[in-house]
Amino acid sequence: GAGVSQSPSNKVTEKGKDVELRCDPISGHTALYWYRQSLGQGLEFLIYFQGNSAPDKSGLPSDRFSAERTGGSVSTLTIQRTQQEDSAVYLCASSLVPGASGYTFGSGTRLTVV
Amino acid sequence: TQLLEQSPQFLSIQEGENLTVYCNSSSVFSSLQWYRQEPGEGPVLLVTVVTGGEVKKLKRLTFQFGDARKDSSLHITAAQPGDTGLYLCAGQNSGNTPLVFGKGTRLSVIA
Repeated sequence: GAGVSQSPSNKVTEKGKDVELRCDPISGHTALYWYRQSLGQGLEFLIYFQGNSAPDKSGLPSDRFSAERTGGSVSTLTIQRTQQEDSAVYLCASSLVPGASGYTFGSGTRLTVV
Repeated sequence: TQLLEQSPQFLSIQEGENLTVYCNSSSVFSSLQWYRQEPGEGPVLLVTVVTGGEVKKLKRLTFQFGDARKDSSLHITAAQPGDTGLYLCAGQNSGNTPLVFGKGTRLSVIA
C-alpha cells in the first residue's frame, strides 16, 4: 500500500479482556516496529521485526504482550488480560531497510482500557 | 539504556518569531532523525543526519548534528502556525537497532 495502515484506529476494551492490533506495512519494507506512546511521553519501543530474523522483543513490558509477523508482511500485536496502564496509542512503523532510511509510521491505534 | 533529552518540553511563540529546540544525550549515535507529529497522526520524518557537525536545511528549518554526535538542534526561522506540532528527535546506535526517541517538544505558533 501507499502507507502504513493500522486497525482499528480506536479501541475501547474492558479490563481483563484481550485485544489484537493490526499493522499492514508498506509493501517491500523489510523492517517493522511497534512503539507505544502514552500521554505526555515519548515513543516507547516494544518490538522489532527484520526479515526472517528472530524479532527483538526487548521492549515488551510484560509477558501479556506478544506480536507476530506473518509472511514478512502484516503484523499483529496482542495484549492479553488488559490493564488500565495499557491505555496508550500504539504506533506501527516500517522501513525499507534498517538504518538511517527513516521510518514511516501509521496513524496508530488508540487503546482505552476501562 | 540510551536516553535523549529534549528541551524545552513546551514552547508557545508568535508567528514570525525564531526558535531553537534541543536534543541531548550522553551517548554517541550513528545517526539522528527528527520527526514532526500532529494530533491523531503518526510521526513524519523531517530529516536524518549522520555526520558529526552536519547541517541540513529544509526551507525554514535548519538541523545540526553535534560534532561528537551526541546532540542535535532544530532551528525554525519565521515560525508559522503550520509549524505547530510535536517535534521528536530519535537516535540510532547502529544500523540494526531500533530508534530511541526523546519525549518531544510541543510547539504552538500563534497567529
